[in-house]
Amino acid sequence: AQSVTQPDIHITVSEGASLELRCNYSYGATPYLFWYVQSPGQGLQLLLKYFSGDTLVQGIKGFEAEFKRSQSSFNLRKPSVHWSDAAEYFCAVAPYGGATNKLIFGTGTLLAVQP
Amino acid sequence: EPEVTQTPSHQVTQMGQEVILRCVPISNHLYFYWYRQILGQKVEFLVSFYNNEISEKSEIFDDQFSVERPDGSNFTLKIRSTKLEDSAMYFCASSEAFNTEAFFGQGTRLTVV
Repeated sequence: AQSVTQPDIHITVSEGASLELRCNYSYGATPYLFWYVQSPGQGLQLLLKYFSGDTLVQGIKGFEAEFKRSQSSFNLRKPSVHWSDAAEYFCAVAPYGGATNKLIFGTGTLLAVQP
Repeated sequence: EPEVTQTPSHQVTQMGQEVILRCVPISNHLYFYWYRQILGQKVEFLVSFYNNEISEKSEIFDDQFSVERPDGSNFTLKIRSTKLEDSAMYFCASSEAFNTEAFFGQGTRLTVV
């Protein structure tokens, strides 16, 4: 069965430090991949997506992610974290060759940013 | 910027009561979805809706649940007889096509007491 794994439940970084959030997926074909962010009391906001083409994708708020087929990974990165980045981050997969009508989410990584 | 809006933001209901969660998808979108997130757990797909009918539903979406697009703008989720385990954040989402990104609303937190 398709699945998404985010191995880090909780990460704390210092403001200004770099960030990498891990995401691994299990799916036979090349899926569509997404990162969403959920700030406290807010909904899910799309940070970036990978459908095809360049495996390094740029998103909003200075985030980027790299698709590595050989590792079945889609890790999210940011070179310098800001206090406002504190939130929960969800990796998601669209398993039906791109059909986004049934996203499979990971369990999320809660990011804390310390001064 | 167009957005998906959900009302109410928080609803408290007694066990056994019916609730209707409301959503206004982005106007030119054709595909609509409901997801839920039980506290501390992952976001789970409930149902997708296209062309005035359910296109797919999960095993969670049993006979207690129904969806409707009563007019050209609203998309609703009804839970007929709520149970304690229905307490969760419910997210509505919409997308332009079946293979484009889904945009999510801010969610409705449902508390069943």
